[in-house]
Amino acid sequence: NAGVMQNPRHLVRRRGQEARLRCSPMKGHSHVYWYRQLPEEGLKFMVYLQKENIIDESGMPKERFSAEFPKEGPSILRIQQVVRGDSAAYFCASSPRDSAETQYFGPGTRLLVL
Amino acid sequence: QKEVEQNSGPLSVPEGAIASLNCTYSDRGSQSFFWYRQYSGKSPELIMSIYSNGDKEDGRFTAQLNKASQYVSLLIRDSQPSDSATYLCAVDAGTYKYIFGTGTRLKVLA
Repeated sequence: NAGVMQNPRHLVRRRGQEARLRCSPMKGHSHVYWYRQLPEEGLKFMVYLQKENIIDESGMPKERFSAEFPKEGPSILRIQQVVRGDSAAYFCASSPRDSAETQYFGPGTRLLVL
Repeated sequence: QKEVEQNSGPLSVPEGAIASLNCTYSDRGSQSFFWYRQYSGKSPELIMSIYSNGDKEDGRFTAQLNKASQYVSLLIRDSQPSDSATYLCAVDAGTYKYIFGTGTRLKVLA
């Protein structure tokens, strides 16, 4: 039973480029959450999505960040025009339809902005 | 601003001892509480969830919840060096998003 999958695991971008992070939830899970973890800090909630719907994006920066979870395919977190402060670990979590409170985390994508 | 507070540590305990990790939260409306373990450079791994006041035991781990005092704790019995990690407390903040504490770093000394 495959867990939450994220790719790439490591991503290096130069300032001004776009970063695209992908997350495939566990089989049978329809809820996806994105969190960001800055060095030596806790995880910060960014966005909660269900298929084709953004449920809560209260943790997303107002500019440059967007997320989607299409009907087919993985959830995507997109960061446009990256800046050095975007360097962090981005974790995706998923939960099953009937137990939305228990979240299981993927391995994360480490983004480094040069 | 909903907050979850943890002592950052490090908390050092000898092998075989009980490690006690504490967490306080500010939102009285929170109903769900979770403990995750995170090894350096790895992703958080769910250890325990607790929803009702009292104790919940799972193997060497016991979670304790006191909603009146707004704290949740994690006890690790017979601590092993492999338990050395950062332990994250998470509290639901509505719409199933979690508020995480900054974590307590545990070191179990062989």
